[in-house]
Amino acid sequence: IAGITQAPTSQILAAGRRMTLRCTQDMRHNAMYWYRQDLGLGLRLIHYSNTAGTTGKGEVPDGYSVSRANTDDFPLTLASAVPSQTSVYFCASSVESGSYNEQFFGPGTRLTVL
Amino acid sequence: QQQVKQSPQSLIVQKGGISIINCAYENTAFDYFPWYQQFPGKGPALLIAIRPDVSEKKEGRFTISFNKSAKQFSLHIMDSQPGDSATYFCAASPVYNTDKLIFGTGTRLQVFP
Repeated sequence: IAGITQAPTSQILAAGRRMTLRCTQDMRHNAMYWYRQDLGLGLRLIHYSNTAGTTGKGEVPDGYSVSRANTDDFPLTLASAVPSQTSVYFCASSVESGSYNEQFFGPGTRLTVL
Repeated sequence: QQQVKQSPQSLIVQKGGISIINCAYENTAFDYFPWYQQFPGKGPALLIAIRPDVSEKKEGRFTISFNKSAKQFSLHIMDSQPGDSATYFCAASPVYNTDKLIFGTGTRLQVFP
C-alpha cells in the first residue's frame, strides 16, 4: 500500500542526545516536508525539500537539519535535543511543490525530550 | 504571530447538527485555503480546499464558505455524525509559494449521538 512511513513511532530521549527521525515515501513524490505539531499551535513547517538534492527552511528550522539524498527518504536530525523539541513530528509529501498540490501526511513520531 | 486564526478551539455538536469552524487571515497574498482532518493517532488528511475565485465549495456534507473582502473562510459540516469527531485544521498558502502551508491552531470537534 502506497504511503508514508515514519520511524520510530515514539521515542523518549535525554537532552543533549542526537536523534534522527526517519521518513520514507513510496509514491515517488518530488516534494517532502517536516512539521511539528504542538497543542494550541497547530502544525508548523520545520524544513522542506522540493526535489531530491535540495532542501529549504520552514517556519521553525532552528535545532533541526534535513537531507534529501534520494526521492524516497527525508530524515530529520536533532543534533543536540532540548526539552522544547518535545512534540509530535509529521512528515508529508506532495507530487510537486507548489501548484496547490495536496500534502499527504505520515502517521507521526511522538518525541519526548527529558 | 498567528497568520491564520482559527476558532473555536473546541466544539461539541449533537448528531445531525451543523458544525461550523471559522478561520481568518491577514495576508492578502494567500490564495489557497485547504482544510485538513486529523483523527487521534493519525496524520492530517486533506478534506476539502478552495481558491478565492469562488465563494463556496461543497463536497458531500462538507462546505467551505469564503469571504475574500473579510479575509475569512469557514468549514460547515452538515448533518454531523459521530464519525466526524476529529481535529480540523484550516490552512492557507501564498500565491508565490503554494507549498508552504500556514496552518491554524486546530479545532477539536466532538459529535455526540
